[in-house]
Amino acid sequence: GAGVSQSPRYKVAKRGQDVALRCDPISGHVSLFWYQQALGQGPEFLTYFQNEAQLDKSGLPSDRFFAERPEGSVSTLKIQRTQQEDSAVYLCASSYPVAGGSPNYNEQFFGPGTRLTVL
Amino acid sequence: KQEVTQIPAALSVPEGENLVLNCSFTDSAIYNLQWFRQDPGKGLTSLLLIQSSQREQTSGRLNASLDKSSGRSTLYIAASQPGDSATYLCAGSIGSTLGRLYFGRGTQLTVWP
Repeated sequence: GAGVSQSPRYKVAKRGQDVALRCDPISGHVSLFWYQQALGQGPEFLTYFQNEAQLDKSGLPSDRFFAERPEGSVSTLKIQRTQQEDSAVYLCASSYPVAGGSPNYNEQFFGPGTRLTVL
Repeated sequence: KQEVTQIPAALSVPEGENLVLNCSFTDSAIYNLQWFRQDPGKGLTSLLLIQSSQREQTSGRLNASLDKSSGRSTLYIAASQPGDSATYLCAGSIGSTLGRLYFGRGTQLTVWP
């Protein structure tokens, strides 16, 4: 079956521009995560959705970052007034639910990422 | 804050060697632990998942173990091949944080023929 897909795969933005990154999770996956991976680093958590509810946004680095998942499927990560330090790969992951269980128990499947370069 | 350390940072070996990659967490209260492979310019491919009730998982030439008392995990790769060349990342979830994964910086593995 189809895995997690992300678009665009590459995005170049001028400093100050707004960008929108899209994630299509695996069909039926309830949980959706966004991570940011700087060059040479491991991914860092940004935010988590369960269906359409954003249950954890503690990893978003500033109020310029905003994520939504209005229908509980596709998610968009928006970055306003981009800065050079926003340059990174943005990874999306989804996981399927364990009935009545915590999302801690679920294997996460990652998309190919969007490489954002801010000039 | 959960800190994850992976040792070694880089490894270069000839084909056929058996390898051990190490990962340690400052908070040993780990629920799930996943090992991933990342090829240059690509996303993460899940290799093995060790769930909270488990201590070990095996898939082909790969074996991962988790010692919860110490917060340490080991990935063992048997009979390494050039196609194993990639960055290997470990990641764990802890109880209070709704499934978010804490990642190490990875071990960059090169297997030469």
